[in-house]
Amino acid sequence: EPEVTQTPSHQVTQMGQEVILRCVPISNHLYFYWYRQILGQKVEFLVSFYNNEISEKSEIFDDQFSVERPDGSNFTLKIRSTKLEDSAMYFCASSPLPGSGQPQHFGDGTRLSIL
Amino acid sequence: AQTVTQSQPEMSVQEAETVTLSCTYDTSESNYYLFWYKQPPSRQMILVIRQEAYKQQNATENRFSVNFQKAAKSFSLKISDSQLGDTAMYFCAFMKRVFGNEKLTFGTGTRLTIIP
Repeated sequence: EPEVTQTPSHQVTQMGQEVILRCVPISNHLYFYWYRQILGQKVEFLVSFYNNEISEKSEIFDDQFSVERPDGSNFTLKIRSTKLEDSAMYFCASSPLPGSGQPQHFGDGTRLSIL
Repeated sequence: AQTVTQSQPEMSVQEAETVTLSCTYDTSESNYYLFWYKQPPSRQMILVIRQEAYKQQNATENRFSVNFQKAAKSFSLKISDSQLGDTAMYFCAFMKRVFGNEKLTFGTGTRLTIIP
């Protein structure tokens, strides 16, 4: 069964450094998402992306965050200057088509640790 | 804004028993979808079951079934013949049926432990 793949599985970064989290969505999916889960808390929506632009973003997704689909297969989340509170599990998800109500398929996540 | 509430932070049940996890939600939308996701200790998010709000029939997937009460805004998950592999965090999630506005809103989760 096709899967969403995320790399790296664990990223350790110094505070203030830039970090890029990478995702390869399922190949025929068109709608992409990033979520985060701070340890012990619920999963929170960050941003959705369709047709090469952001569809929706949450209050968490401030100017320090950006997303990109650089080459038609990868979908990246960049945090420009990391803070301690950015430490979390970051999940990428994809779904086939907006408006279809099809479930989102999640990757295994990237654990981001900010020192 | 939508909210999803899971009032049971933790539950445990003996293997082979049936367990029901509760979820309520609040929305002014009439068309939406509801999901249960499972997150085992490995931390991946796995879809368990999906319900379309405009369908009255409750969704079922093998040992997993839901009790969807639209008027009460309730969406509980029943796991029959529970197995050790069902031990996980279970999240209830809501999604609007609106093109381009399809983020998932999650509850805080229920940690389910199946006891051998």
